[in-house]
Amino acid sequence: AQSVTQLDSHVSVSEGTPVLLRCNYSSSYSPSLFWYVQHPNKGLQLLLKYTSAATLVKGINGFEAEFKKSETSFHLTKPSAHMSDAAEYFCVVYEGSYIPTFGRGTSLIVHP
Amino acid sequence: DSGVTQTPKHLITATGQRVTLRCSPRSGDLSVYWYQQSLDQGLQFLIQYYNGEERAKGNILERFSAQQFPDLHSELNLSSLELGDSALYFCASSETLAGGLTYNEQFFGPGTRLTVL
Repeated sequence: AQSVTQLDSHVSVSEGTPVLLRCNYSSSYSPSLFWYVQHPNKGLQLLLKYTSAATLVKGINGFEAEFKKSETSFHLTKPSAHMSDAAEYFCVVYEGSYIPTFGRGTSLIVHP
Repeated sequence: DSGVTQTPKHLITATGQRVTLRCSPRSGDLSVYWYQQSLDQGLQFLIQYYNGEERAKGNILERFSAQQFPDLHSELNLSSLELGDSALYFCASSETLAGGLTYNEQFFGPGTRLTVL
């Protein structure tokens, strides 16, 4: 069975510093992994996805994530945080089915 | 703007009542997904329809049902409402049926906030 764990419920950074949002997954097969972002009072928007091609995936707004099979991780990073990055971030895994499993979310707080 | 519309934006009702939430997918998208987002449960997948047929079922209660119509819009029906059903309900759509090693991006609507008093 598939599962996904977002290791931090909240991450706080200063504007201009790097961002790291951690995601670990459990899967019996090769998973497809996604990161979505949800700004306050909005629906979710896709940041990036991994579907067994390149292990380093680039997304929108300067975000990227690296698929590490040996560590069963898919951490999201950004070199320099911007105030507009403050939002809730969700890691999502699909494993051979149509049913996605969402992590509990990580709230990114960006301080000026 | 994702192109997915949901109505109503807010809904306040009483326990025991029944409500219908409506979703219009992006033009051309055949798949519709319903999700429930609450503070204690997080984001939970409820059900998926593809071109009018149910394709996948998640954590959907028996009191809840959905359908997708020939024009591809979808409705989520919630009945015998309980306080715990208060949540944000999202609809999402995608172009085709997900499968194999590739899963399509889902485009999310703005959600319907349901409050059960």
